[in-house]
Formats: sequence, structure tokens, C-alpha cells
Amino acid sequence: QKEVEQNSGPLSVPEGAIASLNCTYSDRVSQSFFWYRQYSGKSPELIMSIYSNGDKEDGRFTAQLNKASQYVSLLIRDSQPSDSATYLCAVDGNTGFQKLVFGTGTRLLVSP
Amino acid sequence: DAGITQSPRHKVTETGTPVTLRCHQTENHRYMYWYRQDPGHGLRLIHYSYGVKDTDKGEVSDGYSVSRSKTEDFLLTLESATSSQTSVYFCAISDGGGALNTDTQYFGPGTRLTVL
Repeated sequence: QKEVEQNSGPLSVPEGAIASLNCTYSDRVSQSFFWYRQYSGKSPELIMSIYSNGDKEDGRFTAQLNKASQYVSLLIRDSQPSDSATYLCAVDGNTGFQKLVFGTGTRLLVSP
Repeated sequence: DAGITQSPRHKVTETGTPVTLRCHQTENHRYMYWYRQDPGHGLRLIHYSYGVKDTDKGEVSDGYSVSRSKTEDFLLTLESATSSQTSVYFCAISDGGGALNTDTQYFGPGTRLTVL
């Protein structure tokens, strides 16, 4: 059973701070990793994907992947109240079809 | 938003009744997925489709069936609804244009189903 673990939070940070969200996964053959943001009552939306070890930056977001340690993280710089949402980590099991396994999500609260 | 609609958006039904949820896309994407989202469990894959009439089971397929007779429509059927199927159901699509492992899934707005 493939598992993706996230701390449920809430993670509370002040506006302007860096928010660090972490995710660990159990399946060593996983090759693709995704971060989705989900506002309350809304559908998930993709914010970052990462496939290689190291860092990938997109605006205020940086995804970090360490396959040896089986973790992936998301950093949000200059956090804004509008970043307050649940962040879902998803991992693809390299099955030939994109059968994603999702973590339960980390709730982020950014206070003004 | 990607061109994905789900209907109905909300439904309340009684135990033992059949229920069909519809996902409709205007993106002509090849792959379609049905997930359910429950507190403490996150999103879990129910069934997916990799083409017209081509479907397969996901992690939590028991009690559900699917059909895809057209590229744009993917139907999820609960043959005899149970209270444990009370959930929010999301449809997702992806085009599979690149390597499948890098393919991006886009989600529909969701259907909130309550089984009494």
C-alpha cells in the first residue's frame, strides 16, 4: 500500500514569513511529485510539480525533492493571507498511468 | 479553470437507491479520473479511464462502476448507495500528451453527495 504522509496542521505563519510544508512517501519507485492547493469548499489546483532531486522554483513557491530520503517539501516565501488553504502532496507510482496517491493535506493559516 | 463540469453539484439520496454522477469535459483530454475526498483520508482514486470504453479500477472501487461512451463524458454510478459513500466526489482530466508521469491532472468543481 503506497502511502503519502503529511502533517495535518494547521501550520500558522505571519504574513511575509516563509511557510514550509513537508511530505514523505513510502514507494521508492515514485518518480513524479505534485503539490496542489485546495481552498475550503473548492477543488484542488496544481501549483508545483517536480521530478528530479533538488529544488524547483516558480515565483514565491519552491519545491524540494530528496528521493534518497523519500521526502518532498514546498516552501512559500513572503506568505500572504490568500495563501491560507490546504496543501495536498501527491505522488505518482510509476505504474504507466498517472494514478496519484494523495496525502491528507496540511492546512496553512497566514495571519495578517 | 479547465473545461470540466460535474453534475449534479449537490445531491441527497437514500440508502439503497442508485446514483449517477456525470463528469463532462470540453478539453478533448484522453484520461479521466474519479476521486472521492473524505476527512482524514484525502483524495482517493475510485476509477479511471484511458480512452472511450477503456476503464480500470482505482484504490477504492468497491460499490462503484463507471462508463465512458464518449471522450467528453465519464459517468460514475453507485448501484445501491450506502451511507459510507457520503463524500465529495471529484472528477479530473489529463491529456497524457507528454510522458504519463509528468501529466497534469485538472480537477472539476466536485459533487457533494449525502446518503441518508
